[in-house]
Amino acid sequence: QKEVEQDPGPLSVPEGAIVSLNCTYSNSAFQYFMWYRQYSRKGPELLMYTYSSGNKEDGRFTAQVDKSSKYISLFIRDSQPSDSATYLCAMKKNTGFQKLVFGTGTRLLVSP
Amino acid sequence: DTAVSQTPKYLVTQMGNDKSIKCEQNLGHDTMYWYKQDSKKFLKIMFSYNNKELIINETVPNRFSPKSPDKAHLNLHINSLELGDSAVYFCASSQDWGSSRGLYGYTFGSGTRLTVV
Repeated sequence: QKEVEQDPGPLSVPEGAIVSLNCTYSNSAFQYFMWYRQYSRKGPELLMYTYSSGNKEDGRFTAQVDKSSKYISLFIRDSQPSDSATYLCAMKKNTGFQKLVFGTGTRLLVSP
Repeated sequence: DTAVSQTPKYLVTQMGNDKSIKCEQNLGHDTMYWYKQDSKKFLKIMFSYNNKELIINETVPNRFSPKSPDKAHLNLHINSLELGDSAVYFCASSQDWGSSRGLYGYTFGSGTRLTVV
């Protein structure tokens, strides 16, 4: 079993929809949580990061962390075709030389 | 200016050959990484160097040998290539100390797509 689980999708939604992407993890030592977006044939780029449980908002994106349930989410409001990409959750145990562990990624397709 | 650059972008080679991938970052970061992304998009860490010192060495065949001549460069040499080595290899960097941004995020290169035939 992988440390971080993520539904691979694809998740297809119409333009303007609210998208919910989720990850679960098994190790309660993870403390730092990130979401990366990866366009086809490109490297992952950091979208959002959170430390504590709760919500963090940045424009159309909201990251949510529930440490008690070992569950994190990324919500995208008013989704656009340009949001079509693979979204990877990632997490790290603490600062310093700890590896960043990724989920398998969810492929999102937003149709016009 | 490209922050993390990898060369080559594409590499097609025969089984048994030896090949190298180069990575350079101009962000002034202290730590660099090699990740392997398989056909199902799963990113798995292979190695990490901090200021030229190896700090993470995951379970990787010893045919893979990283080298960091300085903190801005991290190269990956692969001996006796096998079909299963076909993947996209990503280089990344981060600033783990003294930067709140670096505590969370890695900057990735655009990847090297390796195909072994």
